[in-house]
Amino acid sequence: AQSVTQPDIHITVSEGASLELRCNYSYGATPYLFWYVQSPGQGLQLLLKYFSGDTLVQGIKGFEAEFKRSQSSFNLRKPSVHWSDAAEYFCAVANTGGFKTIFGAGTRLFVKA
Amino acid sequence: DGGITQSPKYLFRKEGQNVTLSCEQNLNHDAMYWYRQDPGQGLRLIYYSQIVNDFQKGDIAEGYSVSREKKESFPLTVTSAQKNPTAFYLCASSKQGATTGELFFGEGSRLTVL
Repeated sequence: AQSVTQPDIHITVSEGASLELRCNYSYGATPYLFWYVQSPGQGLQLLLKYFSGDTLVQGIKGFEAEFKRSQSSFNLRKPSVHWSDAAEYFCAVANTGGFKTIFGAGTRLFVKA
Repeated sequence: DGGITQSPKYLFRKEGQNVTLSCEQNLNHDAMYWYRQDPGQGLRLIYYSQIVNDFQKGDIAEGYSVSREKKESFPLTVTSAQKNPTAFYLCASSKQGATTGELFFGEGSRLTVL
């Protein structure tokens, strides 16, 4: 069965420090992978996605993610975190067309001054 | 601007009452979805619809009902049969047949049962 695991419920980083959010997935075929971000009380916004090709994908707001098939991982990174990045981040895996998108439980990011 | 509009943003319900959450999109997307979000559990799929007049149950459809009479609209009814309806509900849409799988979300509706 498809599943997504985000091992960290919450992470705290200092403003200006680098960030890595972990995501592991279980999926039989080549996965379509996503990272979404959610501000409190809001909907989700797509940060980036991976379907094929280059395993390092760039997204909005300076985020990037690397697909590692051997580790079944799709970790999200940002070299320098801003206070406005404080939010909840969701990793997701989908089949073709996105009718069955499976979300991880989310990682809440706190940014300290 | 194109997007998804959910209403109301906040809703309070007494036990035993049905409530309907509205979702309207002007993105011309064929597929629409309802997700439920609870703290620490991510998003769980309630129902989805690929085309007008057709919809399928998701993982947690019990106690919910939907309709898809128009391409733009996908309302969700939370019935009195739903045992624990207090949650944050998110509506989403995506392009039919596209390989992207990207979901576009509304801002959500928070339902509280008193």
